[in-house]
Amino acid sequence: QSVLTQPPSASGTPGQRVTISCSGSSSNIGNNYVYWYQQLPGTAPKLLIYRNNQRPSGVPDRFSGSKSGTSASLAISGLRSEDEANYHCAAWDGSLIGPVFGGGTKLTVL
Amino acid sequence: EVQLVESGGGLVQPGGSLRLSCSASGFTFSNYHIHWVRQAPGKGLVWVSRVSSDESPTTYADSVKGRFTVSRDNAKNTVYLQMNSLSAEDTAVYYCARDRDWVIYDYWGQGTLVTVSS
Repeated sequence: QSVLTQPPSASGTPGQRVTISCSGSSSNIGNNYVYWYQQLPGTAPKLLIYRNNQRPSGVPDRFSGSKSGTSASLAISGLRSEDEANYHCAAWDGSLIGPVFGGGTKLTVL
Repeated sequence: EVQLVESGGGLVQPGGSLRLSCSASGFTFSNYHIHWVRQAPGKGLVWVSRVSSDESPTTYADSVKGRFTVSRDNAKNTVYLQMNSLSAEDTAVYYCARDRDWVIYDYWGQGTLVTVSS
C-alpha cells in the first residue's frame, strides 16, 4: 500500500487532455513539494515535474503540474501515443522522514 | 554522458544476502548523493536508501533499516547496497539514481532485478 494514492489507470484519445490525481496528507503533499515521474514501458523513471509545477529542460509544456491542499494533479494536454506510460507522484514525508511515492497510474492512449 | 549501471541482482533464497553495485560515469561522482529506489513487479516506486556524497550520513526506509547497508567508494565511482535477511517482500527491480534534491532524481540506472524465492 503506497503512502500517496493514485488511480491505477487512466486513458484518453490523441489530442485530448487528461489529468492524473495524487492524494496524500498534511505530512507529505500538504506541506511539501510534489514531483512527477514518467516511466515508459520497460525503462527507468524520468523526472517530469518538480516542485509542484516546474518542468526540467526538455519536457514539453504539454505537461503541467498543480497542487491544492493535500492533493496534486498532473495534466497532459494534446495527448500523444508516446505519452503512454506509467506516471508516479512523489513527495517528501515529514513524519516518515523520507520520500514517498504513489502506486503509479498507467496511462493508455486509445 | 551521465551513466549509472546497476549489477549484482539475481535469485536468492529467503534469509539470504545479496550485494548490489551501482557504477557511475560521466560526472564528478563525489559531488553527488545517490539513492536506491525499488519497484516490485507491477507495483509503484519505493524509496530505499540514500548515501551522501562523502559517504555519511546514510538514510534508510523503515522497511529495510537494520537489514540493508548502503556504502560508496568514491575512488571507484561505485555505490553498494548490501542486503541481508531478504524476504519475498524484497523482490523488486532496484534502481540507483543521482540526487539533485531529496525527491529529485535526475539520472537513473536501468535497474537490476532481485528475486527472493525458494
